[in-house]
Amino acid sequence: LAKTTQPISMDSYEGQEVNITCSHNNIATNDYITWYQQFPSQGPRFIIQGYKTKVTNEVASLFIPADRKSSTLSLPRVSLSDTAVYYCLVGVDYGQNFVFGPGTRLSVLP
Amino acid sequence: DAMVIQNPRYQVTQFGKPVTLSCSQTLNHNVMYWYQQKSSQAPKLLFHYYDKDFNNEADTPDNFQSRRPNTSFCFLDIRSPGLGDAAMYLCATSRGGAGDEKLFFGSGTQLSVL
Repeated sequence: LAKTTQPISMDSYEGQEVNITCSHNNIATNDYITWYQQFPSQGPRFIIQGYKTKVTNEVASLFIPADRKSSTLSLPRVSLSDTAVYYCLVGVDYGQNFVFGPGTRLSVLP
Repeated sequence: DAMVIQNPRYQVTQFGKPVTLSCSQTLNHNVMYWYQQKSSQAPKLLFHYYDKDFNNEADTPDNFQSRRPNTSFCFLDIRSPGLGDAAMYLCATSRGGAGDEKLFFGSGTQLSVL
């Protein structure tokens, strides 16, 4: 199983761009990288997924370098409502690959 | 909208009194998962079903059992809840393919043990 390492917490201010990096040094060839967002008292919610290079959707961008040993979730112009815990998961198949690490607790300040 | 539904949202039980949490899905996914999440911790995988095949995590206590009578429903049974079992219990689903699997979560059931 590819282990992931993320910063435990980050602070930002409204309107700033936030970048959260996840390290996954032993990522396997077929592994995808998936990020989830979790608000208090709710289940995690899928944000973005990628395999290589860059992926962008209406919520975020995901940057993956060529060696795929890390990935960066980029949240443009954060607002207070982006305060949440962000989890990076690496894997390809169901079941055991869906083990959550500690995640990054993002606090957006006014 | 297709979704994962957990009932009840809040559940209170007494120490040692069996409790069942339920989960249903309209996504027609093959895999259903149960996670336990305690305050300020990451979700911890308890077990999952691929269709009818049950897969237990090695460190899941025997006190926790699960049933999946059909594709749509999955239940978490806690046979003798202890105070340490108070947590948010999250149900999730995924297609069960390979490659770009994604998890779809319910809103969770917050369990209190008195």
